[in-house]
Amino acid sequence: AQSVAQPEDQVNVAEGNPLTVKCTYSVSGNPYLFWYVQYPNRGLQFLLKYITGDNLVKGSYGFEAEFNKSQTSFHLKKPSALVSDSALYFCAVRDDGQGGKLIFGQGTELSVKP
Amino acid sequence: DGGITQSPKYLFRKEGQNVTLSCEQNLNHDAMYWYRQDPGQGLRLIYYSQIVNDFQKGDIAEGYSVSREKKESFPLTVTSAQKNPTAFYLCASSATGRTEAFFGQGTRLTVV
Repeated sequence: AQSVAQPEDQVNVAEGNPLTVKCTYSVSGNPYLFWYVQYPNRGLQFLLKYITGDNLVKGSYGFEAEFNKSQTSFHLKKPSALVSDSALYFCAVRDDGQGGKLIFGQGTELSVKP
Repeated sequence: DGGITQSPKYLFRKEGQNVTLSCEQNLNHDAMYWYRQDPGQGLRLIYYSQIVNDFQKGDIAEGYSVSREKKESFPLTVTSAQKNPTAFYLCASSATGRTEAFFGQGTRLTVV
C-alpha cells in the first residue's frame, strides 16, 4: 500500500535561515509526490509535485523539493525562511489504483520566528 | 474565476440531524474527492468519484453519503449515523492523469 510519513510534528526556524520539512514515502511502482500548504481554517494550496525527471523540483513561493529514490524521500526546502511561511505542510502520494486519490502524511507545523 | 467552492464555511448541526455540504467546481475535472481533517490526523478520504453517476467509498465512509449527478457537483451528506461528525471537511478535484488535486476552502462542521 502507498504511504507517506512526516517524521516531525513541528519544525522551528529563524527568519532568514534555510528550512527543511521532511517526508519519506513507500510506494509500489513509480512515485507521484506532492507538497501542499495549509493556513489556519483554509483549504490546501498546491506547492509542487514530482512526477518524473529532475530530482530537484521547484515550486511556488520559493519552495523546492529534492526527490531521492534511494532514500525514498521527498524533503521540502527553502533557502531563506519568512515569517509568512509559518503554516501546516502536507506531503502526499497519488494512488492511481484508487481513483487517483492523494494519501497524506500527518502534517508538519512550520513556525518561523523573527 | 476557476476553482472549487465549498459552502457553507461554518455549519452547526444538532445531534440526530442529517446535513449536506456543498462542493462545486468549474475546472472541468472528472475526479472529485471528500476528505475529513482532524487535528493531528492529517486528511482521511471519505468518498471519491471518477465520473458522473459513479462513486467509491474511501477509508472512512461509514455515516456519510454522496451523489454525483453532475460533473460540477459532489455534495456530501453527514448522516446521524456518523458518531463523531465534528471536523473540518475538504473537497478536492483533479484532472485525469498524474496531476495535482485542487482544494476548496473547507467547511467546518460542529455538532451542538
